[in-house]
Amino acid sequence: GENVEQHPSTLSVQEGDSAVIKCTYSDSASNYFPWYKQELGKGPQLIIDIRSNVGEKKDQRIAVTLNKTAKHFSLHITETQPEDSAVYFCAASFSGSARQLTFGSGTQLTVLP
Amino acid sequence: NAGVTQTPKFQVLKTGQSMTLQCAQDMNHNSMYWYRQDPGMGLRLIYYSASEGTTDKGEVPNGYNVSRLNKREFSLRLESAAPSQTSVYFCAISDRGNTGELFFGEGSRLTVL
Repeated sequence: GENVEQHPSTLSVQEGDSAVIKCTYSDSASNYFPWYKQELGKGPQLIIDIRSNVGEKKDQRIAVTLNKTAKHFSLHITETQPEDSAVYFCAASFSGSARQLTFGSGTQLTVLP
Repeated sequence: NAGVTQTPKFQVLKTGQSMTLQCAQDMNHNSMYWYRQDPGMGLRLIYYSASEGTTDKGEVPNGYNVSRLNKREFSLRLESAAPSQTSVYFCAISDRGNTGELFFGEGSRLTVL
């Protein structure tokens, strides 16, 4: 089955700096890669996703890049703000099905004021 | 519009006791899921239900049972709780299971002594 590794497990940045979280996956058939943000005491929430037919996707301060050859994808957050502090999970699946999603272990991002 | 509602939010059990976690949704989505979240292990799928009347095992089903009571409700039962089942449990929903986006409840924290 699919295996998703996520790094780093914790990340601290100064407010205004950029943050990058990286994930690798094992199954070359995976073609859907979402990122979820989990605030303290809440359930995860989808913030951005990418499918394997594109290499990059942006949404305001958030971007995701995908390298299919190397089987890794990354989340980039620019101009970080205190409200970006949360746990971020990457995931991968074949066919985009939620049933097939395999999650990474999570990254605790702390934005220091 | 609450989305996905889980009850209870907190529960402490003794080894061998039984309990049921309840999940209800008001988004009229077909697919419902139960995940467990453990430190350093991301989210792991316990059971899912593609539609009313159907259920199927996920990655870590041992020690759990589920019931899809109707389209709105999906319950998770621990028949004989074990300390290894101490975790945070999340219910999630998706539309037909094929869009990829999961909508999560706020979680139920279970401690088994």
